[in-house]
Amino acid sequence: QKEVEQNSGPLSVPEGAIASLNCTYSDRGSQSFFWYRQYSGKSPELIMSIYSNGDKEDGRFTAQLNKASQYVSLLIRDSQPSDSATYLCAPSRTGRRALTFGSGTRLQVQP
Amino acid sequence: NAGVMQNPRHLVRRRGQEARLRCSPMKGHSHVYWYRQLPEEGLKFMVYLQKENIIDESGMPKERFSAEFPKEGPSILRIQQVVRGDSAAYFCASSPTGTGGPEAFFGQGTRLTVV
Repeated sequence: QKEVEQNSGPLSVPEGAIASLNCTYSDRGSQSFFWYRQYSGKSPELIMSIYSNGDKEDGRFTAQLNKASQYVSLLIRDSQPSDSATYLCAPSRTGRRALTFGSGTRLQVQP
Repeated sequence: NAGVMQNPRHLVRRRGQEARLRCSPMKGHSHVYWYRQLPEEGLKFMVYLQKENIIDESGMPKERFSAEFPKEGPSILRIQQVVRGDSAAYFCASSPTGTGGPEAFFGQGTRLTVV
Protein backbone atom coordinates (compact mmCIF):
# COMPACT_ATOMS: atom_id res chain seq x y z
CA GLN A 1 0.00 0.00 0.00
CA LYS A 2 1.32 3.41 -0.97
CA GLU A 3 1.73 5.94 1.83
CA VAL A 4 -0.36 8.48 -0.06
CA GLU A 5 -2.86 7.56 -2.76
CA GLN A 6 -4.40 9.89 -5.28
CA ASN A 7 -6.29 9.23 -8.46
CA SER A 8 -3.95 10.30 -11.24
CA GLY A 9 -6.76 11.57 -13.44
CA PRO A 10 -7.08 13.50 -15.56
CA LEU A 11 -10.13 14.89 -13.83
CA SER A 12 -11.98 16.97 -16.34
CA VAL A 13 -14.58 19.53 -15.23
CA PRO A 14 -16.30 22.35 -17.10
CA GLU A 15 -15.51 25.94 -16.22
CA GLY A 16 -17.59 27.11 -13.26
CA ALA A 17 -18.10 23.61 -11.84
CA ILE A 18 -16.81 22.21 -8.57
CA ALA A 19 -13.69 20.08 -8.81
CA SER A 20 -13.26 17.47 -6.09
CA LEU A 21 -9.81 16.02 -5.49
CA ASN A 22 -9.33 13.13 -3.09
CA CYS A 23 -6.43 11.69 -1.14
CA THR A 24 -6.05 8.79 1.26
CA TYR A 25 -3.04 8.17 3.45
CA SER A 26 -1.78 5.22 5.45
CA ASP A 27 0.17 6.86 8.32
CA ARG A 28 -2.27 7.27 11.20
CA GLY A 29 0.29 9.51 12.90
CA SER A 30 -0.15 12.19 10.26
CA GLN A 31 -1.32 15.43 11.84
CA SER A 32 -0.72 18.08 9.19
CA PHE A 33 -2.04 17.94 5.67
CA PHE A 34 -0.99 20.05 2.74
CA TRP A 35 -2.22 20.55 -0.79
CA TYR A 36 0.22 21.74 -3.43
CA ARG A 37 -0.55 22.89 -6.95
CA GLN A 38 1.98 22.21 -9.67
CA TYR A 39 1.66 23.66 -13.13
CA SER A 40 3.31 21.69 -15.91
CA GLY A 41 7.05 22.23 -15.85
CA LYS A 42 6.91 24.34 -12.71
CA SER A 43 7.62 23.86 -9.03
CA PRO A 44 4.95 22.94 -6.48
CA GLU A 45 3.32 25.77 -4.55
CA LEU A 46 1.44 25.40 -1.30
CA ILE A 47 -2.23 26.33 -1.60
CA MET A 48 -3.90 24.85 1.50
CA SER A 49 -3.00 23.49 4.92
CA ILE A 50 -5.37 21.69 7.28
CA TYR A 51 -4.64 20.33 10.73
CA SER A 52 -7.95 19.31 12.32
CA ASN A 53 -11.00 17.35 11.27
CA GLY A 54 -13.63 19.22 9.33
CA ASP A 55 -13.54 21.84 6.64
CA LYS A 56 -11.24 24.76 6.05
CA GLU A 57 -12.14 27.36 3.47
CA ASP A 58 -9.88 29.83 1.70
CA GLY A 59 -11.45 31.69 -1.17
CA ARG A 60 -12.57 29.18 -3.79
CA PHE A 61 -10.69 26.36 -2.08
CA THR A 62 -12.03 24.12 0.69
CA ALA A 63 -9.94 21.41 2.31
CA GLN A 64 -11.75 18.61 4.12
CA LEU A 65 -10.13 16.26 6.60
CA ASN A 66 -11.38 13.05 8.17
CA LYS A 67 -8.63 11.49 10.24
CA ALA A 68 -10.72 8.47 11.22
CA SER A 69 -11.10 7.57 7.56
CA GLN A 70 -7.57 8.73 6.74
CA TYR A 71 -9.00 10.87 4.01
CA VAL A 72 -8.37 14.43 2.91
CA SER A 73 -9.92 16.24 -0.01
CA LEU A 74 -9.72 19.54 -1.83
CA LEU A 75 -12.73 21.21 -3.39
CA ILE A 76 -12.31 23.98 -5.93
CA ARG A 77 -15.47 25.99 -6.50
CA ASP A 78 -16.15 27.96 -9.67
CA SER A 79 -13.28 26.18 -11.42
CA GLN A 80 -11.32 28.27 -13.88
CA PRO A 81 -9.09 27.17 -16.78
CA SER A 82 -6.20 28.64 -14.78
CA ASP A 83 -6.85 25.95 -12.15
CA SER A 84 -5.71 23.32 -14.64
CA ALA A 85 -2.70 21.77 -12.97
CA THR A 86 -1.61 18.75 -10.96
CA TYR A 87 -2.63 18.79 -7.32
CA LEU A 88 -0.38 17.02 -4.85
CA CYS A 89 -1.49 15.86 -1.42
CA ALA A 90 1.15 15.76 1.34
CA PRO A 91 0.29 14.47 4.80
CA SER A 92 2.92 15.02 7.46
CA ARG A 93 3.68 13.61 10.86
CA THR A 94 4.76 16.07 13.53
CA GLY A 95 8.51 16.11 13.80
CA ARG A 96 9.01 14.55 10.42
CA ARG A 97 11.31 16.78 8.51
CA ALA A 98 10.39 16.04 4.91
CA LEU A 99 7.08 15.76 3.12
CA THR A 100 5.66 12.61 1.57
CA PHE A 101 3.75 13.49 -1.56
CA GLY A 102 1.10 11.61 -3.44
CA SER A 103 1.63 11.21 -7.15
CA GLY A 104 -0.94 13.91 -7.81
CA THR A 105 -4.23 14.34 -9.62
CA ARG A 106 -4.18 16.17 -12.92
CA LEU A 107 -7.11 18.57 -13.20
CA GLN A 108 -8.31 19.92 -16.52
CA VAL A 109 -10.87 22.71 -16.49
CA GLN A 110 -12.59 22.97 -19.86
CA PRO A 111 -13.54 26.52 -20.99
CA ASN B 1 14.43 38.79 -1.31
CA ALA B 2 15.21 36.30 -4.03
CA GLY B 3 13.53 32.93 -3.87
CA VAL B 4 15.19 29.55 -3.90
CA MET B 5 17.54 29.51 -6.87
CA GLN B 6 18.41 26.33 -8.69
CA ASN B 7 20.79 26.00 -11.57
CA PRO B 8 21.07 24.93 -14.17
CA ARG B 9 17.38 24.80 -15.09
CA HIS B 10 18.06 22.16 -17.72
CA LEU B 11 20.97 19.76 -17.83
CA VAL B 12 21.78 17.15 -20.46
CA ARG B 13 24.32 14.50 -19.69
CA ARG B 14 25.49 11.40 -21.52
CA ARG B 15 25.37 8.10 -19.72
CA GLY B 16 28.38 7.72 -17.45
CA GLN B 17 28.97 11.45 -16.97
CA GLU B 18 28.56 13.36 -13.74
CA ALA B 19 25.71 15.75 -12.99
CA ARG B 20 26.02 18.59 -10.48
CA LEU B 21 22.88 20.37 -9.42
CA ARG B 22 23.06 23.54 -7.34
CA CYS B 23 20.59 25.07 -4.95
CA SER B 24 20.91 28.46 -3.26
CA PRO B 25 18.36 28.74 -0.44
CA MET B 26 16.40 31.84 0.37
CA LYS B 27 18.22 34.39 2.46
CA GLY B 28 18.09 33.40 6.10
CA HIS B 29 17.23 29.77 5.37
CA SER B 30 19.70 27.21 6.64
CA HIS B 31 17.67 24.07 5.92
CA VAL B 32 17.63 22.49 2.47
CA TYR B 33 15.65 19.54 1.13
CA TRP B 34 16.15 17.77 -2.19
CA TYR B 35 13.30 15.97 -3.94
CA ARG B 36 13.20 14.01 -7.19
CA GLN B 37 10.20 13.88 -9.47
CA LEU B 38 10.11 11.19 -12.12
CA PRO B 39 7.81 11.74 -15.10
CA GLU B 40 4.12 11.49 -14.14
CA GLU B 41 4.97 10.88 -10.48
CA GLY B 42 4.93 12.84 -7.26
CA LEU B 43 7.97 14.25 -5.53
CA LYS B 44 10.11 11.80 -3.61
CA PHE B 45 12.25 13.00 -0.74
CA MET B 46 15.95 12.40 -1.16
CA VAL B 47 17.96 14.26 1.46
CA TYR B 48 17.70 16.95 4.12
CA LEU B 49 20.71 19.09 5.00
CA GLN B 50 21.61 21.91 7.31
CA LYS B 51 24.75 23.96 6.89
CA GLU B 52 27.68 21.51 6.76
CA ASN B 53 25.54 18.59 7.96
CA ILE B 54 23.47 15.86 6.37
CA ILE B 55 20.51 15.34 8.70
CA ASP B 56 18.48 12.74 6.81
CA GLU B 57 19.54 10.95 3.64
CA SER B 58 17.04 8.11 3.90
CA GLY B 59 15.62 8.81 0.44
CA MET B 60 18.92 8.98 -1.36
CA PRO B 61 20.10 6.00 -3.45
CA LYS B 62 23.09 4.39 -1.74
CA GLU B 63 25.31 4.54 -4.79
CA ARG B 64 26.30 7.33 -7.17
CA PHE B 65 24.35 10.06 -5.33
CA SER B 66 25.77 12.50 -2.80
CA ALA B 67 24.80 15.86 -1.38
CA GLU B 68 26.49 18.63 0.51
CA PHE B 69 25.66 22.02 1.93
CA PRO B 70 28.92 23.80 2.72
CA LYS B 71 29.33 26.69 5.10
CA GLU B 72 29.67 29.01 2.14
CA GLY B 73 27.93 28.58 -1.17
CA PRO B 74 25.01 26.59 -2.50
CA SER B 75 23.91 23.08 -1.71
CA ILE B 76 25.10 20.59 -4.32
CA LEU B 77 23.45 17.36 -5.38
CA ARG B 78 25.95 15.23 -7.25
CA ILE B 79 25.11 12.23 -9.39
CA GLN B 80 28.02 10.20 -10.63
CA GLN B 81 27.95 7.94 -13.68
CA VAL B 82 24.43 8.94 -14.63
CA VAL B 83 22.06 6.42 -16.17
CA ARG B 84 18.87 6.95 -18.18
CA GLY B 85 16.77 6.27 -15.09
CA ASP B 86 18.22 9.36 -13.44
CA SER B 87 16.33 11.54 -15.92
CA ALA B 88 13.93 13.51 -13.77
CA ALA B 89 13.18 16.91 -12.32
CA TYR B 90 15.16 17.63 -9.16
CA PHE B 91 13.66 20.18 -6.83
CA CYS B 92 15.21 21.78 -3.84
CA ALA B 93 13.29 23.48 -1.06
CA SER B 94 14.58 25.65 1.75
CA SER B 95 13.12 26.66 5.08
CA PRO B 96 14.15 28.78 8.06
CA THR B 97 13.31 25.90 10.39
CA GLY B 98 13.55 22.15 10.13
CA THR B 99 9.88 21.40 9.68
CA GLY B 100 9.93 21.06 5.93
CA GLY B 101 6.23 21.78 5.68
CA PRO B 102 4.51 25.05 4.89
CA GLU B 103 7.61 27.05 5.77
CA ALA B 104 9.54 25.42 2.92
CA PHE B 105 9.75 27.16 -0.43
CA PHE B 106 10.59 25.30 -3.62
CA GLY B 107 13.00 26.30 -6.33
CA GLN B 108 12.08 26.01 -10.00
CA GLY B 109 13.88 22.72 -10.35
CA THR B 110 16.60 21.28 -12.54
CA ARG B 111 15.45 19.01 -15.31
CA LEU B 112 18.07 16.40 -15.94
CA THR B 113 18.02 14.46 -19.18
CA VAL B 114 20.40 11.56 -19.63
CA VAL B 115 21.01 10.58 -23.24
